[in-house]
Amino acid sequence: GAVVSQHPSWVICKSGTSVKIECRSLDFQATTMFWYRQFPKQSLMLMATSNEGSKATYEQGVEKDKFLINHASLTLSTLTVTSAHPEDSSFYICSAKSEFYGYTFGSGTRLTVV
Amino acid sequence: AQSVTQLDSQVPVFEEAPVELRCNYSSSVSVYLFWYVQYPNQGLQLLLKYLSGSTLVESINGFEAEFNKSQTSFHLRKPSVHISDTAEYFCAVSENQAGTALIFGKGTTLSVSS
Repeated sequence: GAVVSQHPSWVICKSGTSVKIECRSLDFQATTMFWYRQFPKQSLMLMATSNEGSKATYEQGVEKDKFLINHASLTLSTLTVTSAHPEDSSFYICSAKSEFYGYTFGSGTRLTVV
Repeated sequence: AQSVTQLDSQVPVFEEAPVELRCNYSSSVSVYLFWYVQYPNQGLQLLLKYLSGSTLVESINGFEAEFNKSQTSFHLRKPSVHISDTAEYFCAVSENQAGTALIFGKGTTLSVSS
């Protein structure tokens, strides 16, 4: 079946630094990538939608300058949390969509900003 | 825009008892419906989905869900739960259109005890 490789699985960074999270679709091409954020004991909140080669569409309330999304190819999307602060600490999950496999989720990245 | 309501935030049950996790959705267009399971500190695993056809869908581990268009529901059921079914369960909906994201409910914590 389809696999989306997301890494790192966890990262600790200092306040003010930037962190990049990668998602790769293995053995299939993702027409669309989605990025979600999940706070402890809460649901997944859609942050943005990105299509290869075009700018990401951000949900209301998500700062596009803070959460930079790049979808350079049909198999790779990255989320960069810029100038991270403790309130950015969360679980980030990507999802790749393809016509054949539907939605495939990465295993998530636990970000802790100290 | 579509939305998902999971009516129960927590459902405690005893082992081998039946369980139903409720999910209602709202959408102005036709939808796809999904149930995902999440174990602690892990990503999402697809449990089952309704795309079209038979309104009753089943998973390999004994769960089933029935799409009820008139009641806009997609409740998840299992006739006899195991301790290992303890997890967070998310109902999700997407519009029947290319490129649309999954929208998740707030989740239901299923706690199975002996």
